[in-house]
Amino acid sequence: NAGVTQTPKFRILKIGQSMTLQCTQDMNHNYMYWYRQDPGMGLKLIYYSVGAGITDKGEVPNGYNVSRSTTEDFPLRLELAAPSQTSVYFCASSYRTETYGYTFGSGTRLTVV
Amino acid sequence: KQEVTQIPAALSVPEGENLVLNCSFTDSAIYNLQWFRQDPGKGLTSLLLIQSSQREQTSGRLNASLDKSSGRSTLYIAASQPGDSATYLCAVPIFGNEKLTFGTGTRLTIIP
Repeated sequence: NAGVTQTPKFRILKIGQSMTLQCTQDMNHNYMYWYRQDPGMGLKLIYYSVGAGITDKGEVPNGYNVSRSTTEDFPLRLELAAPSQTSVYFCASSYRTETYGYTFGSGTRLTVV
Repeated sequence: KQEVTQIPAALSVPEGENLVLNCSFTDSAIYNLQWFRQDPGKGLTSLLLIQSSQREQTSGRLNASLDKSSGRSTLYIAASQPGDSATYLCAVPIFGNEKLTFGTGTRLTIIP
Protein backbone atom coordinates (compact mmCIF):
# COMPACT_ATOMS: atom_id res chain seq x y z
CA ASN A 1 0.00 0.00 0.00
CA ALA A 2 2.56 2.59 -1.18
CA GLY A 3 0.17 5.48 -2.03
CA VAL A 4 2.06 8.39 -3.60
CA THR A 5 5.84 7.98 -3.81
CA GLN A 6 8.19 10.86 -4.49
CA THR A 7 11.89 10.66 -5.25
CA PRO A 8 14.36 12.01 -4.35
CA LYS A 9 13.60 13.26 -0.83
CA PHE A 10 16.38 15.85 -0.89
CA ARG A 11 18.43 17.44 -3.64
CA ILE A 12 20.88 20.29 -4.03
CA LEU A 13 21.21 21.77 -7.51
CA LYS A 14 23.53 24.38 -8.90
CA ILE A 15 22.07 27.33 -10.80
CA GLY A 16 21.42 26.36 -14.39
CA GLN A 17 21.28 22.60 -13.79
CA SER A 18 18.23 20.54 -14.65
CA MET A 19 16.52 17.68 -12.88
CA THR A 20 13.37 15.61 -12.80
CA LEU A 21 11.31 15.05 -9.68
CA GLN A 22 9.60 11.69 -9.82
CA CYS A 23 6.07 10.94 -8.63
CA THR A 24 4.32 7.58 -8.79
CA GLN A 25 0.96 6.48 -7.41
CA ASP A 26 -0.42 2.96 -7.22
CA MET A 27 -4.06 3.81 -6.48
CA ASN A 28 -5.20 4.13 -10.12
CA HIS A 29 -6.06 7.79 -9.51
CA ASN A 30 -7.03 9.88 -12.51
CA TYR A 31 -5.92 13.22 -11.14
CA MET A 32 -2.38 14.15 -10.19
CA TYR A 33 -0.88 17.42 -9.04
CA TRP A 34 2.40 19.15 -8.30
CA TYR A 35 2.55 21.79 -5.57
CA ARG A 36 5.37 23.80 -4.12
CA GLN A 37 5.49 25.06 -0.56
CA ASP A 38 7.74 27.93 0.42
CA PRO A 39 8.57 28.61 4.10
CA GLY A 40 5.61 30.14 5.94
CA MET A 41 3.50 30.09 2.82
CA GLY A 42 0.64 27.98 1.58
CA LEU A 43 0.85 25.47 -1.21
CA LYS A 44 0.91 26.77 -4.77
CA LEU A 45 -0.20 24.62 -7.69
CA ILE A 46 2.44 24.21 -10.40
CA TYR A 47 0.84 21.75 -12.85
CA TYR A 48 -1.92 19.19 -12.78
CA SER A 49 -3.22 16.33 -14.87
CA VAL A 50 -6.73 14.87 -15.17
CA GLY A 51 -5.56 11.73 -16.93
CA ALA A 52 -2.82 10.17 -19.01
CA GLY A 53 -1.83 12.46 -21.87
CA ILE A 54 -3.56 15.53 -20.38
CA THR A 55 -1.76 18.23 -18.42
CA ASP A 56 -2.50 21.85 -17.58
CA LYS A 57 -0.84 24.78 -15.88
CA GLY A 58 -1.53 25.83 -12.33
CA GLU A 59 -0.72 29.12 -10.60
CA VAL A 60 3.10 29.02 -10.86
CA PRO A 61 4.15 26.97 -13.94
CA ASN A 62 7.08 29.07 -15.15
CA GLY A 63 10.37 27.19 -15.11
CA TYR A 64 8.73 23.76 -14.95
CA ASN A 65 7.45 21.13 -17.33
CA VAL A 66 5.42 17.97 -16.84
CA SER A 67 4.31 14.92 -18.77
CA ARG A 68 1.76 12.18 -18.06
CA SER A 69 2.40 9.19 -20.28
CA THR A 70 0.87 6.70 -17.84
CA THR A 71 -1.80 6.82 -15.14
CA GLU A 72 0.79 6.03 -12.48
CA ASP A 73 3.57 8.53 -13.21
CA PHE A 74 3.66 12.31 -13.22
CA PRO A 75 7.25 13.61 -13.34
CA LEU A 76 8.10 17.30 -12.87
CA ARG A 77 11.01 18.67 -14.86
CA LEU A 78 13.03 21.70 -13.79
CA GLU A 79 15.00 23.29 -16.58
CA LEU A 80 17.76 25.80 -15.82
CA ALA A 81 17.30 25.79 -12.05
CA ALA A 82 17.15 29.17 -10.31
CA PRO A 83 17.40 30.09 -6.59
CA SER A 84 13.70 31.05 -6.69
CA GLN A 85 12.91 27.37 -7.21
CA THR A 86 14.28 26.47 -3.79
CA SER A 87 11.24 24.97 -2.14
CA VAL A 88 9.56 21.80 -0.98
CA TYR A 89 7.70 20.04 -3.77
CA PHE A 90 4.68 17.87 -3.13
CA CYS A 91 2.95 15.51 -5.51
CA ALA A 92 -0.68 14.55 -4.87
CA SER A 93 -3.33 12.39 -6.47
CA SER A 94 -7.08 11.89 -6.32
CA TYR A 95 -9.59 9.53 -7.88
CA ARG A 96 -12.43 12.01 -8.32
CA THR A 97 -12.23 15.32 -6.55
CA GLU A 98 -15.97 15.72 -6.05
CA THR A 99 -16.22 12.65 -3.86
CA TYR A 100 -12.71 11.73 -2.85
CA GLY A 101 -9.94 13.54 -1.07
CA TYR A 102 -6.35 14.00 -2.01
CA THR A 103 -3.39 11.80 -1.10
CA PHE A 104 -0.02 13.51 -0.83
CA GLY A 105 3.50 12.24 -1.19
CA SER A 106 6.10 12.99 1.48
CA GLY A 107 7.76 15.75 -0.54
CA THR A 108 11.08 16.61 -2.17
CA ARG A 109 13.16 19.32 -0.53
CA LEU A 110 15.10 21.13 -3.26
CA THR A 111 17.81 23.73 -2.74
CA VAL A 112 19.27 25.66 -5.66
CA VAL A 113 22.65 27.29 -4.95
CA LYS B 1 -10.89 33.30 -7.74
CA GLN B 2 -11.28 31.14 -4.66
CA GLU B 3 -9.53 32.53 -1.59
CA VAL B 4 -9.08 30.39 1.51
CA THR B 5 -8.18 32.01 4.82
CA GLN B 6 -7.22 30.42 8.11
CA ILE B 7 -7.24 32.41 11.32
CA PRO B 8 -5.34 32.43 13.60
CA ALA B 9 -2.01 31.77 11.92
CA ALA B 10 -0.67 30.31 15.18
CA LEU B 11 -2.28 29.04 18.36
CA SER B 12 -0.87 27.75 21.65
CA VAL B 13 -3.05 26.03 24.21
CA PRO B 14 -2.42 23.93 27.34
CA GLU B 15 -2.76 20.19 27.08
CA GLY B 16 -6.27 18.88 27.72
CA GLU B 17 -8.13 21.90 26.38
CA ASN B 18 -10.66 21.74 23.57
CA LEU B 19 -9.95 24.04 20.65
CA VAL B 20 -11.35 25.24 17.34
CA LEU B 21 -9.51 26.04 14.14
CA ASN B 22 -11.20 28.19 11.53
CA CYS B 23 -11.25 28.14 7.73
CA SER B 24 -13.04 30.62 5.48
CA PHE B 25 -13.52 30.49 1.72
CA THR B 26 -14.94 33.04 -0.70
CA ASP B 27 -16.61 30.86 -3.35
CA SER B 28 -19.30 28.54 -1.96
CA ALA B 29 -19.45 26.38 -5.11
CA ILE B 30 -17.30 23.63 -3.65
CA TYR B 31 -17.45 19.84 -3.98
CA ASN B 32 -16.03 19.26 -0.54
CA LEU B 33 -13.57 20.59 2.00
CA GLN B 34 -10.60 18.71 3.32
CA TRP B 35 -8.56 19.20 6.46
CA PHE B 36 -4.90 18.18 6.50
CA ARG B 37 -2.22 17.96 9.11
CA GLN B 38 1.43 18.74 8.38
CA ASP B 39 4.22 17.93 10.82
CA PRO B 40 7.46 19.94 10.53
CA GLY B 41 9.50 18.80 7.55
CA LYS B 42 6.87 16.26 6.55
CA GLY B 43 4.15 15.85 3.95
CA LEU B 44 0.43 16.40 4.36
CA THR B 45 -1.78 13.83 6.02
CA SER B 46 -5.50 13.90 5.30
CA LEU B 47 -7.60 14.17 8.46
CA LEU B 48 -11.19 14.68 7.38
CA LEU B 49 -13.12 15.17 4.15
CA ILE B 50 -16.55 16.80 4.30
CA GLN B 51 -18.78 16.55 1.24
CA SER B 52 -20.75 19.63 0.22
CA SER B 53 -23.98 17.86 1.22
CA GLN B 54 -22.71 17.15 4.73
CA ARG B 55 -22.54 19.45 7.70
CA GLU B 56 -20.19 17.47 9.92
CA GLN B 57 -17.58 14.73 9.82
CA THR B 58 -15.97 13.06 12.81
CA SER B 59 -12.84 11.02 13.35
CA GLY B 60 -11.87 10.21 16.91
CA ARG B 61 -11.22 13.46 18.79
CA LEU B 62 -11.60 15.51 15.62
CA ASN B 63 -14.83 17.00 14.34
CA ALA B 64 -15.07 19.15 11.24
CA SER B 65 -18.11 21.20 10.31
CA LEU B 66 -19.02 22.89 7.04
CA ASP B 67 -21.35 25.81 6.40
CA LYS B 68 -21.28 26.45 2.66
CA SER B 69 -23.67 29.39 2.73
CA SER B 70 -21.42 31.36 5.07
CA GLY B 71 -18.20 30.06 3.52
CA ARG B 72 -16.86 28.60 6.75
CA SER B 73 -15.49 25.39 8.17
CA THR B 74 -14.23 24.62 11.65
CA LEU B 75 -12.02 21.85 12.96
CA TYR B 76 -12.74 21.00 16.57
CA ILE B 77 -10.09 19.10 18.53
CA ALA B 78 -11.21 17.65 21.84
CA ALA B 79 -8.94 17.01 24.83
CA SER B 80 -5.82 18.23 23.05
CA GLN B 81 -2.53 16.33 23.42
CA PRO B 82 1.09 17.34 22.74
CA GLY B 83 1.03 14.98 19.75
CA ASP B 84 -1.58 17.24 18.16
CA SER B 85 1.08 19.91 17.68
CA ALA B 86 1.36 20.50 13.93
CA THR B 87 0.19 22.83 11.19
CA TYR B 88 -3.41 22.31 10.12
CA LEU B 89 -4.47 23.26 6.60
CA CYS B 90 -7.86 23.33 4.96
CA ALA B 91 -8.35 23.03 1.21
CA VAL B 92 -11.21 23.16 -1.30
CA PRO B 93 -11.66 22.19 -4.95
CA ILE B 94 -14.17 24.15 -7.02
CA PHE B 95 -16.99 22.83 -9.20
CA GLY B 96 -15.76 22.39 -12.76
CA ASN B 97 -12.21 23.01 -11.65
CA GLU B 98 -9.93 20.23 -10.50
CA LYS B 99 -7.50 22.49 -8.70
CA LEU B 100 -7.28 22.38 -4.94
CA THR B 101 -6.92 25.73 -3.18
CA PHE B 102 -5.20 25.74 0.21
CA GLY B 103 -5.32 28.02 3.17
CA THR B 104 -2.01 29.12 4.67
CA GLY B 105 -2.58 27.00 7.74
CA THR B 106 -2.76 27.34 11.52
CA ARG B 107 0.33 26.30 13.45
CA LEU B 108 -0.90 24.61 16.63
CA THR B 109 1.25 24.08 19.69
CA ILE B 110 -0.06 22.07 22.63
CA ILE B 111 1.77 22.93 25.83
CA PRO B 112 2.34 19.94 28.17
